[in-house]
Amino acid sequence: KAGVTQTPRYLIKTRGQQVTLSCSPISGHRSVSWYQQTPGQGLQFLFEYFSETQRNKGNFPGRFSGRQFSNSRSEMNVSTLELGDSALYLCASSLAVAGLAGELFFGEGSRLTVL
Amino acid sequence: AQSVTQLGSHVSVSEGALVLLRCNYSSSVPPYLFWYVQYPNQGLQLLLKYTSAATLVKGINGFEAEFKKSETSFHLTKPSAHMSDAAEYFCAVSSMDSNYQLIWGAGTKLIIKP
Repeated sequence: KAGVTQTPRYLIKTRGQQVTLSCSPISGHRSVSWYQQTPGQGLQFLFEYFSETQRNKGNFPGRFSGRQFSNSRSEMNVSTLELGDSALYLCASSLAVAGLAGELFFGEGSRLTVL
Repeated sequence: AQSVTQLGSHVSVSEGALVLLRCNYSSSVPPYLFWYVQYPNQGLQLLLKYTSAATLVKGINGFEAEFKKSETSFHLTKPSAHMSDAAEYFCAVSSMDSNYQLIWGAGTKLIIKP
């Protein structure tokens, strides 16, 4: 059974650019959650999608957006990149809503460096 | 609002010694509680979960945790540390309070001394 796949694994952007990250969940999983992880701030929740609807959203500016497609694949977009957006972006999938599912399955992350 | 506090951003133990990682939570309704582990350069992996069944929960790799409602705690223990346990550990809580959004602790880095 394939795990959660995140692409790209590494990317470098400059300030002001935008970036799109992709997440393919485990087959059959309907929930996809996104997290930002940095050494200073730890693990920060971005948003959760379930059956194409955003269920919950973290405390991030509107530059951070996401969506989920009918096949449960998800993308997140960050526009007008800032240096502080440099981080590891983790995606996790689950069969049910994240906090009820009992187990989230995480991808290995997309490491974004903003110069 | 729900919150999770992990005491100690770094915990160092000798190989073979007891591992104790502390997690306290706040929730006005019965919570679900989780411990996840993150090895270097990897995503997180579920260690164990409490979902209102037995209060003593056993997980993978010899870890266990006990839900203590009176102390609002869910501490993670392992009787004998192994070098391979070196990783970062995250405690998380969810409930109806948070619309079942997972609320995460700041994480504790476990260092194993040879």
